[in-house]
Amino acid sequence: DQQVKQNSPSLSVQEGRISILNCDYTNSMFDYFLWYKKYPAEGPTFLISISSIKDKNEDGRFTVFLNKSAKHLSLHIVPSQPGDSAVYFCAASDLNAGNNRKLIWGLGTSLAVNP
Amino acid sequence: EAQVTQNPRYLITVTGKKLTVTCSQNMNHEYMSWYRQDPGLGLRQIYYSMNVEVTDKGDVPEGYKVSRKEKRNFPLILESPSPNQTSLYFCASSFSGYNQPQHFGDGTRLSIL
Repeated sequence: DQQVKQNSPSLSVQEGRISILNCDYTNSMFDYFLWYKKYPAEGPTFLISISSIKDKNEDGRFTVFLNKSAKHLSLHIVPSQPGDSAVYFCAASDLNAGNNRKLIWGLGTSLAVNP
Repeated sequence: EAQVTQNPRYLITVTGKKLTVTCSQNMNHEYMSWYRQDPGLGLRQIYYSMNVEVTDKGDVPEGYKVSRKEKRNFPLILESPSPNQTSLYFCASSFSGYNQPQHFGDGTRLSIL
């Protein structure tokens, strides 16, 4: 059972527009979330994170929003650039899970930014 | 340049022939981890290490071994590979734990015939 769900396997956006990538989770104990980006033939690279004590975190063109009541987070990329075309993974963890602490990964959303 | 280096990048081998995938990081990170990525299953952790001589099982440790004799290296060993271990493998490291931003290697694609 997927605890972290990225329901859109793919997304296509025009250059300059906003890209919104969504992630839903089922475990209400998750309190820390990360986004990673992955280009073909490379490993994932860390993009941005957010703790459950915040509802927004911003880093340049990338903003992550967290809605705890809906168990939903989203990654906004504004403006989108062709170089943002990659697979984006959402990951979540429960920092208080003791020996069961681990990172749970979504399956990823493939973003294509068209010139 | 800060990096995690995996070798080999690609390997085709046969069932039962022991193999080792090496992983080395140059960032003096405490935490290292191995993942496998399979279609429809995402990234799953195989083993991780919080520090030298400290290793622990992840979600899918069966059929794998690891060692952490020195901080920079974390090899993944398949003693008797089987076809169900055909996958894309990633090594990762971070300063102190799984929830810190992890640096990933570029992956090793293993095919076990």
